[in-house]
Amino acid sequence: SYELTQPHSVSVALGQTATMTCGGDNIGTKNVHWYQQRPGQAPVLVIYKNSDRPSGIPERFSGSKSGRTASLTISRVQAGDEADYYCQVWDSGVLFGGGTKLTVL
Amino acid sequence: EVQLLESGGKWIQRGGSLRLSCVSSGSSFSDYPMTWVRQAAGKGLEWVSSVSGGGTATYYADSVKGRFSVSRDNSKNTLYLQMNNLRADDTAVYYCAKEGSSGWMELDSWGRGTLVTVSS
Repeated sequence: SYELTQPHSVSVALGQTATMTCGGDNIGTKNVHWYQQRPGQAPVLVIYKNSDRPSGIPERFSGSKSGRTASLTISRVQAGDEADYYCQVWDSGVLFGGGTKLTVL
Repeated sequence: EVQLLESGGKWIQRGGSLRLSCVSSGSSFSDYPMTWVRQAAGKGLEWVSSVSGGGTATYYADSVKGRFSVSRDNSKNTLYLQMNNLRADDTAVYYCAKEGSSGWMELDSWGRGTLVTVSS
């Protein structure tokens, strides 16, 4: 069955740039979506269709895809960006990656 | 903006049944597919089930197939998840979510979740 692989954790200094990856076979043929989940809250869609931003999501959030990896990049990281981030595709059902915990130092 | 509110979660014994509901405040409820996602404490997101806008097409994760049933009543703007033969590993917060407009199954609105605890 298809799997999405995310690093368990990423750390970044306040004000710097954070990049989180999502790997999967043939991910180039799929549309990847990204969610932010702050502790105790429901997930929020931050990127859809690889690189599109929903209304209300800051331009600091961007998405890209290259080869077997999709990436979520957050520029000028703020303390409020500390959260879990999940990638997601459709593959005979909704499929999530295992999630990456972003820690802001 | 669509608001989603889940209800029906509670403590229940293994082998029991439970029905979750999700009410949408938005208009045109029948225009978009809906999805249930669950999250066990300290774990990641797990897809449970999805249903088309009209309710005729349904999809299930292997872990719940044959035990859970998704449905919707578009006249009431309500999504349901009937859960039978519950197991301890079904314990989780259950979220309902609405598909966005791109057609690629991004989930652009989520409820706050309802907690289901299955006692072993």
